[in-house]
Amino acid sequence: RKEVEQDPGPFNVPEGATVAFNCTYSNSASQSFFWYRQDCRKEPKLLMSVYSSGNEDGRFTAQLNRASQYISLLIRDSKLSDSATYLCVVNIGTGGADGLTFGKGTHLIIQP
Amino acid sequence: NAGVTQTPKFQVLKTGQSMTLQCAQDMNHEYMSWYRQDPGMGLRLIHYSVGAGITDQGEVPNGYNVSRSTTEDFPLRLLSAAPSQTSVYFCASSYSTADTQYFGPGTRLTVL
Repeated sequence: RKEVEQDPGPFNVPEGATVAFNCTYSNSASQSFFWYRQDCRKEPKLLMSVYSSGNEDGRFTAQLNRASQYISLLIRDSKLSDSATYLCVVNIGTGGADGLTFGKGTHLIIQP
Repeated sequence: NAGVTQTPKFQVLKTGQSMTLQCAQDMNHEYMSWYRQDPGMGLRLIHYSVGAGITDQGEVPNGYNVSRSTTEDFPLRLLSAAPSQTSVYFCASSYSTADTQYFGPGTRLTVL
């Protein structure tokens, strides 16, 4: 059962470039969406929530496409410190943690 | 405000031994959960709780027990450790599943 799918990468991107990756989800009843960042051997941390209208936080832009059931993350002017694994998280709203599905992550490597 | 704390950070067990992984949060979150993360598998939900006295099984509950006697603490017990339980274990808490999940730093467990 693949409810949330991500391209595992790695995406090798030169510093300063723009990179984008998507996450597809299978449950059309999904209610809320998130991008988390996980550094090597560290815990996941929230990067940003994804709203229906899209949202932007500095160099990061997240968008939701309900019709095609995917969310995207765009990183502009990438920095070396952006190197990490980016996890897509989808909530189908059961009220418990069983409603959350984590993607396996997309590994991003920013090269100098 | 320490957030989510986990102990121990590292543990090596022999097959058949039992132990308890500790998790505590000081944010007064009702929702707490335990995940395991294995290479290529992403985060998988073991058990979760929506409040003190209430627990439920996640995707991979076999071999693990939990209890939630207080809002702050959510220990995970391994009943009889097996090599298949070698993994990184993360505890998380939140106000709800629609909100930010705060993860602890993880426990790296090896079962020989």
